[in-house]
Amino acid sequence: AQSVTQLDSHVSVSEGTPVLLRCNYSSSYSPSLFWYVQHPNKGLQLLLKYTSAATLVKGINGFEAEFKKSETSFHLTKPSAHMSDAAEYFCVVSDDNFNKFYFGSGTKLNVKP
Amino acid sequence: GAGVSQSPRYKVAKRGQDVALRCDPISGHVSLFWYQQALGQGPEFLTYFQNEAQLDKSGLPSDRFFAERPEGSVSTLKIQRTQQEDSAVYLCASSFLKGANEAFFGQGTRLTVV
Repeated sequence: AQSVTQLDSHVSVSEGTPVLLRCNYSSSYSPSLFWYVQHPNKGLQLLLKYTSAATLVKGINGFEAEFKKSETSFHLTKPSAHMSDAAEYFCVVSDDNFNKFYFGSGTKLNVKP
Repeated sequence: GAGVSQSPRYKVAKRGQDVALRCDPISGHVSLFWYQQALGQGPEFLTYFQNEAQLDKSGLPSDRFFAERPEGSVSTLKIQRTQQEDSAVYLCASSFLKGANEAFFGQGTRLTVV
């Protein structure tokens, strides 16, 4: 069975400081992993995805994530937070046919001026 | 439009009422998915279509929930005899590929059952 655990429900950072959103996954096979962002009153937007190519994945808006099999982790990072990054972020694992996504419970990122 | 469109954006239903939620996927997208997002939680899978075929409906919580995509494009999620626990945001997503490797989500329909 597939699942993801997002370790922090809320993260607060100051503008210009690094962002770290943590995600651990459980999967019975080599997983495909995604990060989605949800701004208020907007649809979920794909930030980046890992599908067994390079373990360091670069996404939009300066975000990146590293797949670490030994730690079953797929943490999301960004070197310098912007006010516009304030949103809710979801870590997602797919089933092996990409027919179903399993979402984490989400991390709300607050960016302080 | 260029994205996945869902209507209505907001729906208030009295308990026991039937509702129908519509999803217009991106033109040409083969795969269509419905998810339910309860307040403060991540979305949970309801059902998956490939063209007009409903390949997986394992996430539908009860037989009051029914989804269709008769011509392989627009989809409707119907909930009969709504109950308070059905209150949630219902998200639709579509993908050009078979499966959800590159899925695009709509803004959702927020259903409130009173």
